[in-house]
Amino acid sequence: AQKITQTQPGMFVQEKEAVTLDCTYDTSDQSYGLFWYKQPSSGEMIFLIYQGSYDEQNATEGRYSLNFQKARKSANLVISASQLGDSAMYFCAMREGRAGNNRKLIWGLGTSLAVNP
Amino acid sequence: GAVVSQHPSWVICKSGTSVKIECRSLDFQATTMFWYRQFPKQSLMLMATSNEGSKATYEQGVEKDKFLINHASLTLSTLTVTSAHPEDSSFYICSASLFVLAGTSEQFFGPGTRLTVL
Repeated sequence: AQKITQTQPGMFVQEKEAVTLDCTYDTSDQSYGLFWYKQPSSGEMIFLIYQGSYDEQNATEGRYSLNFQKARKSANLVISASQLGDSAMYFCAMREGRAGNNRKLIWGLGTSLAVNP
Repeated sequence: GAVVSQHPSWVICKSGTSVKIECRSLDFQATTMFWYRQFPKQSLMLMATSNEGSKATYEQGVEKDKFLINHASLTLSTLTVTSAHPEDSSFYICSASLFVLAGTSEQFFGPGTRLTVL
């Protein structure tokens, strides 16, 4: 069965340092997509980065990069040069199958990141 | 970028009353919207998939008669919590799906609605 596992309930990082948030997934589908979302205390879900299963290069978006290791079924999020505003919950999610408007996401339990000044 | 709004952002109601939450895609048409429920410090739980012009598809364990979903137009979906009880108190979030690149769709989320049932 499809599943997303985030093994780090909470993480601390010093401001300006890099941090890696772990995400492993389980699927039998060859085509899938992996997402990372940020949820600050206000509650809104903010899209960070996307990786398609057929993408050969790791996705990057500014300070965010996704370390995609297909054989290990892992899609870790790397945040470089952490900022105080990065303190939030981070969720990894997976869409099975080809992109489609009615494709639902499978969610991990999330990792709470605290950035220390 | 694609913007999704939710109204109200928070609501307090008495037990037994019904509450309607609106989800609107402001600058795009969304044939599919999703409704989630989130308890404090927990992940998102998908309640239902809402398709414009057709009945919503509910996830297992979600009461259809309790959580009424209507997707009357390409920009509006509503969730009505009927005969609300304190255990329905939660954070409700909607999202709308949109193709952003060839082969890639993305869910854009509303800011959420915090429901408190007294």
